[in-house]
Amino acid sequence: GAVVSQHPSRVICKSGTSVKIECRSLDFQATTMFWYRQFPKQSLMLMATSNEGSKATYEQGVEKDKFLINHASLTLSTLTVTSAHPEDSSFYICSARGDLRTDTQYFGPGTRLTVL
Amino acid sequence: DAKTTQPPSMDCAEGRAANLPCNHSTISGNEYVYWYRQIHSQGPQYIIHGLKNNETNEMASLIITEDRKSSTLILPHATLRDTAVYYCIVRSSNSGGSNYKLTFGKGTLLTVNP
Repeated sequence: GAVVSQHPSRVICKSGTSVKIECRSLDFQATTMFWYRQFPKQSLMLMATSNEGSKATYEQGVEKDKFLINHASLTLSTLTVTSAHPEDSSFYICSARGDLRTDTQYFGPGTRLTVL
Repeated sequence: DAKTTQPPSMDCAEGRAANLPCNHSTISGNEYVYWYRQIHSQGPQYIIHGLKNNETNEMASLIITEDRKSSTLILPHATLRDTAVYYCIVRSSNSGGSNYKLTFGKGTLLTVNP
């Protein structure tokens, strides 16, 4: 149980385009989902927290208009990187937490974004 | 949430127990200790968590000192597949919305050698 998936696993896009990453909780309902970013040889950095049906809460320094987060259902959250630039190239990881289980966060496998 | 201190790296022989330490001297009474690991180019994997008592599951054991200022994650029989970065994280039990966060430090790179 407690499986979180992400799609796509890898994406390469041109500078200026937008990229959407999906995060799904497969066997539980996730009232809260989180988006992290990880640059090479660095630790995970939380970008934003989203609760189903409400606006996401962004961490300081994360541009909400650039990183659009939608948490429309209890099993799906999406992150859209708008007008991507090479410096947005990173490993994006989502996690999910459900109230019916423990407070544990379960992570997806990550999405490798490369912006050319 | 309290900060944690972990050694940057450790080595372990395959088949032996791996004991990963974590210091969290400023932990408060309602904070849990969580352990995750991240294998290269994958998302973090939940291992175990505890509050006061020692905990054991199919993956590992968590030993928390009586004063709760430190803990040790034990992998009883390490395999090559256990090579990963292990993160010790302290988190308040007062969860909810943006207050529920996991703050990742640099962790310990455990290398299991054949």
